[in-house]
Amino acid sequence: EPEVTQTPSHQVTQMGQEVILRCVPISNHLYFYWYRQILGQKVEFLVSFYNNEISEKSEIFDDQFSVERPDGSNFTLKIRSTKLEDSAMYFCATQISLLNTGELFFGEGSRLTVL
Amino acid sequence: AQSVSQHNHHVILSEAASLELGCNYSYGGTVNLFWYVQYPGQHLQLLLKYFSGDPLVKGIKGFEAEFIKSKFSFNLRKPSVQWSDTAEYFCAVNAQGSYIPTFGRGTSLIVHP
Repeated sequence: EPEVTQTPSHQVTQMGQEVILRCVPISNHLYFYWYRQILGQKVEFLVSFYNNEISEKSEIFDDQFSVERPDGSNFTLKIRSTKLEDSAMYFCATQISLLNTGELFFGEGSRLTVL
Repeated sequence: AQSVSQHNHHVILSEAASLELGCNYSYGGTVNLFWYVQYPGQHLQLLLKYFSGDPLVKGIKGFEAEFIKSKFSFNLRKPSVQWSDTAEYFCAVNAQGSYIPTFGRGTSLIVHP
């Protein structure tokens, strides 16, 4: 069964450092998402991406965050200058089309620890 | 904007016990409803979904959920749990016209053999 793959599975970084989280979506899926879950809290929407541009973003997704799909396969989330409160599990998800609205396929997550 | 509440954060059961996990949402319009499960070390995967029709939805592994519109609820049930059901369970809601589901904080289920 096709999978969404994410790397790294776990990254530890110092506050202020840049981090790039990578996702390889399922090949025929058109909509891509990043969610995050701070330990013990809700799974929160960060951003959605369609047709090589951001389609929606939440208030969490401020100027320190960016997404891109540089090579047509990887879908990346960049955090420019990490803060302690960015420590969370970050999930990439994809959706095949809007006909299955809300039915997402998730990667296993990337755990980010900011020290 | 929609929101989702899962009131049970941690549930511990013995095998063969019955399970019901609560999920309530706040949104006045038409919604699509989901339960996702995350087994230890694995990715979130869809357990079951409701778009329309019969409000009692059956999913994989013997799970079912009932949509009660008047209560804004979509509770997950299983009559007899197994040790392999140990996982994190997430309820999600998608308002019609949106393609961005809103998730609850999840319920951790531990089933003792």
